[in-house]
Amino acid sequence: DIVMTQSPDSLAVSLGERATINCKSSQSILYSSNNKNYLAWYQHKPGQPPKLLVSWASARESGVPDRFSGSGSGTDFTLTISSLQAEDVAFYYCHQYYPYSSRTFGQGTKVEIK
Amino acid sequence: QVQLQESGPGLVKPSETLSLTCTVSGGSIRTYYWSWVRQPPGRGLEWVGYIEYSGSTNHNPSLKSRVTISMDTSKNQFSLKLTSVTAADTAVYYCATSLAYCGGDCYYDYWGQGTLVTVSS
Repeated sequence: DIVMTQSPDSLAVSLGERATINCKSSQSILYSSNNKNYLAWYQHKPGQPPKLLVSWASARESGVPDRFSGSGSGTDFTLTISSLQAEDVAFYYCHQYYPYSSRTFGQGTKVEIK
Repeated sequence: QVQLQESGPGLVKPSETLSLTCTVSGGSIRTYYWSWVRQPPGRGLEWVGYIEYSGSTNHNPSLKSRVTISMDTSKNQFSLKLTSVTAADTAVYYCATSLAYCGGDCYYDYWGQGTLVTVSS
């Protein structure tokens, strides 16, 4: 299985400041046939289903505020919230969907207001 | 707009079979992949498995042979059965889909609201 490891487990950031979440895969999830990274990021709030923020490592979903951005390639990925808002308090998960593999999620990162 | 809704018993006894159904509206299960994801209390998300539009399936190897995912195209539903459940199977179960092809299911852009299944006697 491809193991996804997020860091940190929790993060407290002041309103308006930057939050950075890292995700590392145990093997490359860059598919050479199409040069795409098979990685997504979700925001998850209690009592709600997860919300897709980013697919293909860096493609922001329609309607997602542009303060959210994804980057990285191969085995190392980052989700950045450029200016944290109160409504961004949530858990965040990375998720790999590499072709013909068992899908796996990172363990999650809790983002709070400092 | 695709919508998914889980249904099934909220309480299952240990050693019995957990059965859930996901009803899909706004889209046909004859295309793409249809998945199950769960979240045990206080823990993270865990991929359970998926069924492909052709009917073939794939599931989390950690669940061994306890998982069966099936589909009923006449009702536009897909289902999850998990046998020999224990307390470790207590979780919120989500059905989800990705309207794309990725050599399996993709990122999940549509989710059900989730249903809590508790395993207890």
